[in-house]
Amino acid sequence: GEEVAQTPKHLVRGEGQKAKLYCAPIKGHSYVFWYQQVLKNEFKFLISFQNENVFDETGMPKERFSAKCLPNSPCSLEIQATKLEDSAVYFCASSAEGAGSQPQHFGDGTRLSIL
Amino acid sequence: AQSVTQLGSHVSVSEGALVLLRCNYSSSVPPYLFWYVQYPNQGLQLLLKYTTGATLVKGINGFEAEFKKSETSFHLTKPSAHMSDAAEYFCAVSDWGGKLIFGQGTELSVKP
Repeated sequence: GEEVAQTPKHLVRGEGQKAKLYCAPIKGHSYVFWYQQVLKNEFKFLISFQNENVFDETGMPKERFSAKCLPNSPCSLEIQATKLEDSAVYFCASSAEGAGSQPQHFGDGTRLSIL
Repeated sequence: AQSVTQLGSHVSVSEGALVLLRCNYSSSVPPYLFWYVQYPNQGLQLLLKYTTGATLVKGINGFEAEFKKSETSFHLTKPSAHMSDAAEYFCAVSDWGGKLIFGQGTELSVKP
């Protein structure tokens, strides 16, 4: 498609439950990025992929967070044993190339609420 | 390490007035710089980018920004504000691998 599609738009989980978010990048884009936006202003990079390979995972919490981009499937971000602090909007972005000069196209985000 | 600082978390202007949103960056290598806009409950939309070449960059919706290496700045301007410009604006610098490092954001309000 011509837009980055993120599902679901909203996700509510009880503390300790699992949360799984999905992202379909723009067709033909081989790089996918995940960001976490907390408190409306603060964006934090989590992880990036080049096709199905992890490209940069320096922002990924070591525990509880995992992500995949498998061929012919939406990319996914999974959080095990969620905590209150995981409440945030999670954005996915894609780009045609991974070089820093290339603009990223963002989806509308998934709002995750942990109760 | 790269970083971005946006001066002013909130800017208010009157409709038709000049818009100036400030951004300073820190980078040990020639930076790639971006301005994004975020409307409520939406993702980020690219306004403009600087990679190489001309230091005055024109973007969408009448916005432009000037890259000033000596001042490590990349301020965003628009000559005449419209009500529809009210939104959150983010300046970002990209590392070699494309990871975006964002500033704290500036909320722009436009008064009629």
